[in-house]
Parts: sequence; C-alpha cells; structure tokens
Amino acid sequence: SQQGEEDPQALSIQEGENATMNCSYKTSINNLQWYRQNSGRGLVHLILIRSNEREKHSGRLRVTLDTSKKSSSLLITASRAADTASYFCATVSTSGTYKYIFGTGTRLKVLA
Amino acid sequence: EADIYQTPRYLVIGTGKKITLECSQTMGHDKMYWYQQDPGMELHLIHYSYGVNSTEKGDLSSESTVSRIRTEHFPLTLESARPSHTSQYLCASSVRLAGNYEQYFGPGTRLTVT
Repeated sequence: SQQGEEDPQALSIQEGENATMNCSYKTSINNLQWYRQNSGRGLVHLILIRSNEREKHSGRLRVTLDTSKKSSSLLITASRAADTASYFCATVSTSGTYKYIFGTGTRLKVLA
Repeated sequence: EADIYQTPRYLVIGTGKKITLECSQTMGHDKMYWYQQDPGMELHLIHYSYGVNSTEKGDLSSESTVSRIRTEHFPLTLESARPSHTSQYLCASSVRLAGNYEQYFGPGTRLTVT
C-alpha cells in the first residue's frame, strides 16, 4: 500500500490565487520529491527537498518539509490555468532500496 | 523533456493475448521502474531494476514479467492479458543528481483488455 497521503484530494481555484497541497508519509526518508502529471501523461519532476532541508523554492513553487511531523507541503503561487494537473509527492526511504513511494495525489484545477 | 520512450501509447487487445510493453531510455540510467496507475489514482510500483540482469518485484503483485538485458531497454510482458489488467502503465528511469535520485517518466501506455 502507498505510504504517502495527500490532501486535499481535489482543489479548484481561480487563476491568480495560490494553491497549497499537503503530503504525509510514514517512514524515515532520504528525500521527498514532487511531481506533476497532466491528464493521461507521464509524471514530470518538479522539485526535490532533502531530509535536512526545511524549505526550498523554484520559480512559483515553494516546498516545505517537516520531518518531525512527517509532512510536506507544495505551494504554487499566482496559479495559471496551465497549472491544472495532478500533483504527487514521492518519498525515497533511507533503506537504500531506491524505491519511490508515491502519494495519492491532489487534482488541481485552475479556473481562468 | 526526458529521453524515455514507451510504445505503444494505446493498446486495445482481447483476453488471453500475450503482450509486451516497450520502454527504452537513451540517458544511460541504471535504475528503471514500471508503475501501474488507474485513472486519477496513485502509482503502484510493479517492477524495478538496478541494472543489467537485475530485476525485482515491486509492492503491487503483478502477473507481468520484466527483463533487463540492455541498460536502455526494460520491456514488460503479460503472458495472458485479462480485463483486470486494464490500466495505464508508466515506465521511469532515475539518475543520481547531487547525491539524490530523480525519476524521469515516459508518456505511458494505456492498455485496455476486452
């Protein structure tokens, strides 16, 4: 079973607003990554945050990581209609197996 | 855009047929993965490989098999397709960047078994 859970499951916002989605996980991790998936396509890597980092920025993306709460959040600022997609978090454990555990995903819809 | 390719993109096939989903990457990545994803749902790891002649089963039990004879090629085979195999299959490879592994995904194969 997947260890990552994301909330909300779905989110609709107006263009220009900020979108926040959260991810929780269960085991110790080496790093946490966020991916984006457009409908019916493969996933695209967005950003990676290491277990010893607390916050990271990339363009309009801001990721936070709280290892004590085993949670992460992804903030997309000034959203655009083109941001409409599903967003998944993925964790890589410290066990050295290089296996990725994906969350359940948040489906974001940005209305123009 | 990552250089990872999957064929076919769409496949509709009858029950009992043997099928092979192709995945290839030109980036020289040693680690490759197969995931199964139902529409709007999470990804489930079904097979992975750390390199040539290395294959492992993932977390989701699957009736499929894989092989890794060449670094760039990681095909997935279903010996006898069933309607329960209807799903999207995503192939990925990963590379170590600054001490961390990052995955690159192919566009997926959407399989329908009638």
